[in-house]
Amino acid sequence: AQKITQTQPGMFVQEKEAVTLDCTYDTSDPSYGLFWYKQPSSGEMIFLIYQGSYDQQNATEGRYSLNFQKARKSANLVISASQLGDSAMYFCAMREASNDYKLSFGAGTTVTVRA
Amino acid sequence: KAGVTQTPRYLIKTRGQQVTLSCSPISGHRSVSWYQQTPGQGLQFLFEYFSETQRNKGNFPGRFSGRQFSNSRSEMNVSTLELGDSALYLCASSLSPGGLVETQYFGPGTRLLVL
Repeated sequence: AQKITQTQPGMFVQEKEAVTLDCTYDTSDPSYGLFWYKQPSSGEMIFLIYQGSYDQQNATEGRYSLNFQKARKSANLVISASQLGDSAMYFCAMREASNDYKLSFGAGTTVTVRA
Repeated sequence: KAGVTQTPRYLIKTRGQQVTLSCSPISGHRSVSWYQQTPGQGLQFLFEYFSETQRNKGNFPGRFSGRQFSNSRSEMNVSTLELGDSALYLCASSLSPGGLVETQYFGPGTRLLVL
């Protein structure tokens, strides 16, 4: 079964607008870690933001914020004030003890920012 | 601090050959993980090394192997290359393995094309 589901294969967003990337996950572990990575066309995966399952507040890092809804098992990434340089593939990933802390990735969402 | 480096960046091989890819982690990082990324299968975990020991292995055939040296640098080897081994191979490093909050930092990847 898929541990991480990203249902949006591709999205277009206008420059300076906000965009939300969906991520749902499947785990029975009581504690786990959720990560978002950005992969530009160059190939390198860039770490964006982390959310722990017991964190009381939603994580934020600059223009990135995570809308964490534990009961729904969703961890959506919000990018505010989109820039042309945000055009990339975005991956949601999870670490859980039952998987020996290996990172499980979703299929990714391609974001294209239009001027 | 220098990031994760991978060499070579691009490689073209023919079926049946073998290939060795190299990864130098961020200074101070002792854990190195390898991933294979293809359009069809997405990001798949290959293996993880810590203190020169393989700590985890994904579901790949024995043709895929790796090792880690005392300076934490890692190599992965693919023997008897098949067309399906064409992929982007990503290396990631972290301070230590395991743990829910441990962030992995990725290198730029090696693009392998098997003809």
